[in-house]
Amino acid sequence: GENVEQHPSTLSVQEGDSAVIKCTYSDSASNYFPWYKQELGKRPQLIIDIRSNVGEKKDQRIAVTLNKTAKHFSLHITETQPEDSAVYFCAASARNNAGNMLTFGGGTRLMVKP
Amino acid sequence: KAGVTQTPRYLIKTRGQQVTLSCSPISGHRSVSWYQQTPGQGLQFLFEYFSETQRNKGNFPGRFSGRQFSNSRSEMNVSTLELGDSALYLCASRRAQTPYEQYFGPGTRLTVT
Repeated sequence: GENVEQHPSTLSVQEGDSAVIKCTYSDSASNYFPWYKQELGKRPQLIIDIRSNVGEKKDQRIAVTLNKTAKHFSLHITETQPEDSAVYFCAASARNNAGNMLTFGGGTRLMVKP
Repeated sequence: KAGVTQTPRYLIKTRGQQVTLSCSPISGHRSVSWYQQTPGQGLQFLFEYFSETQRNKGNFPGRFSGRQFSNSRSEMNVSTLELGDSALYLCASRRAQTPYEQYFGPGTRLTVT
């Protein structure tokens, strides 16, 4: 089955700096890669996603890049703000005979210091 | 459009008991997935239901089961509860089984004593 590894597990940055979180996946058939943000005590929220036919996608201060050859994808947050502090999860979806299922990385705790 | 809802939000049970959790997906969403979230293990996939049929199953013992009704609402059941079952149980819905966006509910916090 699919295996997703996420690094780093914790990341501390100064407000205004950039943050980068990286994920690798094992199944070359994976074709959908979402990122979720989970604030303390709240549900995971989808913040951006990318499909395998696209190499990069941006939405304001966040961007995701995908390298299918190397089987890794990354989340980039620019001009970080204290409200960006949360746990971020990457995931990969591969189609199997029964449909699609998401496999999540272990999460990255991002702390933005004011 | 209303989001994914889960009931109850908090639950305390004793070892050996059983529990049933409920999830109502976003209107029009036919796929419901369940996840267990613990501090040490992250988000672990339990199972996915689509059109009342279980389509995928994670690596959990048979004590964990689920079902989906014709209105797409889903329930999961855990029998013979163990201390290690204490976790946040999240459900997520999406429109169909193709890789559409998946949206999470607020979760049910289960504590087993």
